[in-house]
Amino acid sequence: SSELTQDPALSVALGQTVTITCQGDSLRTYYATWYQQKPRQAPMSVLYGEHNRPSGIPDRFSGSNSGNSASLTITGAQSEDEADYYCQSRDSSGNYLIFGGGTRLTVL
Amino acid sequence: QLQLEESGPGLVKPSETLSLTCAVSGGSITTSDYHWGWIRQPPGKGLEWIGDIYYSGSTYYNLSFKSRVTISVDTSKNQFSLRVISVTAADTAVYYCARHRRGLSWDQFDYWGQGTLVAVSS
Repeated sequence: SSELTQDPALSVALGQTVTITCQGDSLRTYYATWYQQKPRQAPMSVLYGEHNRPSGIPDRFSGSNSGNSASLTITGAQSEDEADYYCQSRDSSGNYLIFGGGTRLTVL
Repeated sequence: QLQLEESGPGLVKPSETLSLTCAVSGGSITTSDYHWGWIRQPPGKGLEWIGDIYYSGSTYYNLSFKSRVTISVDTSKNQFSLRVISVTAADTAVYYCARHRRGLSWDQFDYWGQGTLVAVSS
């Protein structure tokens, strides 16, 4: 399969926990990388590989993988976490990269 | 600190060729651990991977572009380039260049350019 599916939009109350999911057959083989994109900015990776957070990413961002699904969890969401979140992985052949359609997260 | 900067025309006519360059500073494009990629984002839409190049010249392309795309590298100038032929309005997008780390079963675009908007219009 060459598709990654995400919910288009989610909301979370300030300080609460939210999980953003990504589904696709290739996730059974390859990890998802998660990107955060704020308006008029380039995306920034917040999680990659099995459980890796790039330098500077708060530990409230965590990830998990199960079967054909990957999840990004924000524990104690902050106002600055309001953004679009994209998952990215490879297609089933392993040669090509694919992005999910993105999830717009609103922090209430 | 690694920096990437896209440059090129902001307006291209339909059926013509889109050409962009990504200048890399603060690090060498010939570092063996990295590929170099192009990603685009149509206005109001999601991200789309276009393709990647390694400093040796090896390339991978998104098959959906059906041979319209060429990515090349110039190690002497520490830059890589994107060429898209026969553009249509559907190619209007912000084009990003990025450094691509490739693990055994994961990938990460860890440094991005600021992006450049290319509009296709007559």
